[in-house]
This record gives sequence, C-alpha cells and structure tokens, in this order.
Amino acid sequence: AQKITQTQPGMFVQEKEAVTLDCTYDTSDPSYGLFWYKQPSSGEMIFLIYQGSYDQQNATEGRYSLNFQKARKSANLVISASQLGDSAMYFCAMREGLFGNEKLTFGTGTRLTIIP
Amino acid sequence: GAVVSQHPSWVICKSGTSVKIECRSLDFQATTMFWYRQFPKQSLMLMATSNEGSKATYEQGVEKDKFLINHASLTLSTLTVTSAHPEDSSFYICSAWGQGSNEQFFGPGTRLTVL
Repeated sequence: AQKITQTQPGMFVQEKEAVTLDCTYDTSDPSYGLFWYKQPSSGEMIFLIYQGSYDQQNATEGRYSLNFQKARKSANLVISASQLGDSAMYFCAMREGLFGNEKLTFGTGTRLTIIP
Repeated sequence: GAVVSQHPSWVICKSGTSVKIECRSLDFQATTMFWYRQFPKQSLMLMATSNEGSKATYEQGVEKDKFLINHASLTLSTLTVTSAHPEDSSFYICSAWGQGSNEQFFGPGTRLTVL
C-alpha cells in the first residue's frame, strides 16, 4: 500500500490566490514526521515545512502552512497569496520515527502552475 | 542552513563505463547520508542509506554491486555507477543528516546521461 498519496498530478492557480495541495499518509508508527518539499525545474529539493506527529499546532512557515488532520491522516500544504515563483513540483514526504536519520518516503508529487 | 554539494552537477558517459558522484556536507558532519534516484516526471526513490564508516543499506531492488556507495568520512559520500547503461540515466540526489538535526539536507543533484 502507498504510504504517501498525492492525488493531484497537476494544478493551475491564479496568481495571488491561495492553493491547497493534498497529501494523505499511512503508518502504524505513532511517531512520525511529515515534510513538504518544493522542486523547481533546476531539480534542487527545497524544504518548506515540517510537522511532527505529536505537535499540537499546525506548522506555519511564512506563506506556507500545514493543515494537519491526524485522525484523517492528512497533511495538506496551504500556500497563501500564490506567486509566479511558486510554480514547481511539490512533494509530500513522511519519516517513520522522530529521528532525522530515518529514511523519507515521498509521494508522487503535484505540479503547481501559477497563472499570471 | 546546512549546505550539501554534489559533484558533478551533470555527466554524460558511454555505455559500459563507470561514473562516480560525490556528495559533500560543507558546514556540518554528516553521520548519515542518503542516495535517491529520480526518473523524469517521477518521484524520488531511495536507493540506499549510508552511515559513516559502515556498509550502506540498500533498498529492495537496488543492485549493490552496480551502485557502489562509500561513506568514508563525515563529510563525503560517493556513489559509483559501475558499467553504466542507458537505463541508468537519471537524476541522482543525495541528502545528509547530522547529529542534532531534525531534517535531511539535500544536495543539488547530478544528472547522469548514459549514451
């Protein structure tokens, strides 16, 4: 079974609008971490935001916030006031365990295109 | 933030030759390094995990004799693709983790093309 599921292969959003990228996960480990990465056409992986399974509040980093719904096993990324530079591939990833040296499992990604 | 470099950033080689890719942590000691492969329009797939001074742990389906990983120091890991073939053409990305860090730090990737 897929551990990380991203159901939106591609999205088109008008500039300045908010966008939500979906991510659901599956694990039986009570300790886990969820990550979102941005990958522009250059290929580098840019870390956006992290949510630990025991974190009580949803993570926020500037224009990025993570809508963490533990019971539903979802960790959607919300980008507010989208910009042209947000056009890229976005990957959700999960780490089972809370140590940084545990391996990451990535979803299939969502290609986001911001329309001027 | 922590910086990880990869060299080369791109390489073209002939079928049957071997290619070495370096991954370096520039400003921290990387106890653990990870190697990923990404085919066009696909996600990152973990190939192997290496701890400094130990043999790498390979994911299921990854040939350890074809993809040789060496993590001889706390700042350098190498991936050697032996007897490369066109199907090995891919984007190879490393990441590194150091003690006390919550996350892995990714290198910029190496694009390998085998003719």
